Amino acid sequence: DTEVTQTPKHLVMGMTNKKSLKCEQHMGHRAMYWYKQKAKKPPELMFVYSYEKLSINESVPSRFSPECPNSSLLNLHLHALQPEDSALYLCASSQAVGRGGLLWANVLTFGAGSRLTVL
Amino acid sequence: GENVEQHPSTLSVQEGDSAVIKCTYSDSASNYFPWYKQELGKRPQLIIDIRSNVGEKKDQRIAVTLNKTAKHFSLHITETQPEDSAVYFCAATSSMTTDSWGKLQFGAGTQVVVTP
Repeated sequence: DTEVTQTPKHLVMGMTNKKSLKCEQHMGHRAMYWYKQKAKKPPELMFVYSYEKLSINESVPSRFSPECPNSSLLNLHLHALQPEDSALYLCASSQAVGRGGLLWANVLTFGAGSRLTVL
Repeated sequence: GENVEQHPSTLSVQEGDSAVIKCTYSDSASNYFPWYKQELGKRPQLIIDIRSNVGEKKDQRIAVTLNKTAKHFSLHITETQPEDSAVYFCAATSSMTTDSWGKLQFGAGTQVVVTP
């Protein structure tokens, strides 16, 4: 399996709803990522998990809450979102080589994304 | 942090011609430079990458060159075809520390249109 699978593909939610985006990979990758992409813009990094621990949080508002229950799954819990949070949310994964010292850079594999609309 | 600039923002080419996209980066510690292609409504897909220990890499009609001294890298597509039409993103990152290797900094993207 060489894919990153994201569900749901589309999500419409109100500003008071609570929903979750899910991501799954079975490539043995130990680094997983959430990116946000607005139309005609590059992906923006939100979170990085390395060996199931949060290693990077790019100052994302607390209404986005990531979770990595195991090495294959990554969730993004959504609560009290704003209309400007409407975007394509991309999950990605990569190999994570070592925990410190010199690391060789990783090739990211992206999922197809979850398109979120906040009303 | 790393800053990546990408030019041009749009590129129209006739089928069969070559296309060149250029990126510059700011962080001299960056050592990995991937290129992603994103078709409309699809996921970004890696098409080629280069690491700082080489100056050029080629894969069929696609090539990437890296000039570490000038801190720029370029994507070259030869014999363009309509299916090459997409947005292309360059990116850069440093894998030197655990603080940086997850931070893939993307350029703004280039919309390539190949007309038959």
